[in-house]
Amino acid sequence: AQKVTQAQTEISVVEKEDVTLDCVYETRDTTYYLFWYKQPPSGELVFLIRRNSFDEQNEISGRYSWNFQKSTSSFNFTITASQVVDSAVYFCALGGLTGGGNKLTFGTGTQLKVEL
Amino acid sequence: GAVVSQHPSRVICKSGTSVKIECRSLDFQATTMFWYRQFPKQSLMLMATSNEGSKATYEQGVEKDKFLINHASLTLSTLTVTSAHPEDSSFYICSAPTSGGLQETQYFGPGTRLLVL
Repeated sequence: AQKVTQAQTEISVVEKEDVTLDCVYETRDTTYYLFWYKQPPSGELVFLIRRNSFDEQNEISGRYSWNFQKSTSSFNFTITASQVVDSAVYFCALGGLTGGGNKLTFGTGTQLKVEL
Repeated sequence: GAVVSQHPSRVICKSGTSVKIECRSLDFQATTMFWYRQFPKQSLMLMATSNEGSKATYEQGVEKDKFLINHASLTLSTLTVTSAHPEDSSFYICSAPTSGGLQETQYFGPGTRLLVL
């Protein structure tokens, strides 16, 4: 069975601080895919990144960066110099053949609050 | 990114009535779409996979007779909550992969908030 654990339920930071959101996953698939989505208060899920299991290169996109470590089954997400607009719930998700093609298993989400 | 729309964005209905939610892929064709449900402060739970031209596939514990899914075309899937009850009040979100390939990036609709009185 596939499982995604986001142990941090809620994180509060002050603007301009760096913050890392943790994601640990479990899967029996040798090929799988990891995603991060942002869900602002409006509810819409915003796609942030997709990472394939065979590509362990870390990625940086502006203030966002992702650290994929297969050895520890983790796919952590860091926001540098956080801003109030980053306040949202962030979901890590896992997909693979076990899930039946394009099905995604979501973590429970991390509520990020960035305050002035 | 790809655009997925949902209609309505919000609906309030009386207990016992049926509610239809539409999910459309606006700039791409989707042979498969997914329906998720999210209760307040909880994660998204997959309800069913909508397949164009064939029956939907439901996740364990989801009543197929209560949540009717119709994938009428390559750009439209509908979810009908039949005989809705207060416990069906939730946030319903659809998603679609941008192509038929395995594990393509899924784009989500803006969601539909259902409140059953």
